[in-house]
Amino acid sequence: AQSVTQPDIHITVSEGASLELRCNYSYGATPYLFWYVQSPGQGLQLLLKYFSGDTLVQGIKGFEAEFKRSQSSFNLRKPSVHWSDAAEYFCAVAIPGYNKLIFGAGTRLAVHP
Amino acid sequence: EAGVTQFPSHSVIEKGQTVTLRCDPISGHDNLYWYRRVMGKEIKFLLHFVKESKQDESGMPNNRFLAERTGGTYSTLKVQPAELEDSGVYFCASSQVVPGYNEQFFGPGTRLTVL
Repeated sequence: AQSVTQPDIHITVSEGASLELRCNYSYGATPYLFWYVQSPGQGLQLLLKYFSGDTLVQGIKGFEAEFKRSQSSFNLRKPSVHWSDAAEYFCAVAIPGYNKLIFGAGTRLAVHP
Repeated sequence: EAGVTQFPSHSVIEKGQTVTLRCDPISGHDNLYWYRRVMGKEIKFLLHFVKESKQDESGMPNNRFLAERTGGTYSTLKVQPAELEDSGVYFCASSQVVPGYNEQFFGPGTRLTVL
C-alpha cells in the first residue's frame, strides 16, 4: 500500500535560518507529490506540487522542493524562515489516475524570533 | 470567490449521540472529498463524491458514518452513534472535474470531540 513518511514531528528554527522538511513515500512508480501547509484556523493550502519534469519545484511563499527518485523523497526547503511560516506542514501523494490524496503525519514548525 | 466552508468549526458531543457535519464546496466544483485526521496522525481519505454520486468510499471506517450530497452541492457527514475514537478533525475538499489531476481546495475543518 502507498504511504508517506514525515520523520520529523516537531521542528524549531530561528527566524532567518534555513529550513528543510523531510518526506519519503512508498510507491512502485512516481506518484504526484504535494506539500500543504495549515496555519491555525485555516484550511490546508497547497504550497507546491510535482507531476513530472524538472525535479526542483518552486512554490508559493518562497518554498521549493526537490524530487529525488532514487531516495523516494520530496523534501521541502526554504532558505530563510519568517515568523509567519510557523504552521503545520503536510506532504502528500496521489496515484496517477486516482484523485484521493495520501498524507504524511505532518511536521509542526515553530519559529523562534 | 468563497473557499470551501465547513460547519460547525467545533463540536463536542457525548458518546452515543449523533453529529452532522456540513461542507459547502467552491461553487462549480463537482468533486467533493472528505478526509479525517485523528489524534495528530496522518490525514486519511474517507470518500469522494462526483456531483451527487459516491465515486470512492473506500476510506469510510464503518457503517456509523453516512455521507450524502443531495443535489450535488453541499455535503453532510453524519456520525451515528458517535464513539470516542471518532474524535478528530474532519476536512472537506473540493475540485473541478477537468482532464488531468484536479487540485483539491480544503476547508478549515471541523474539530469533533466525543466524550
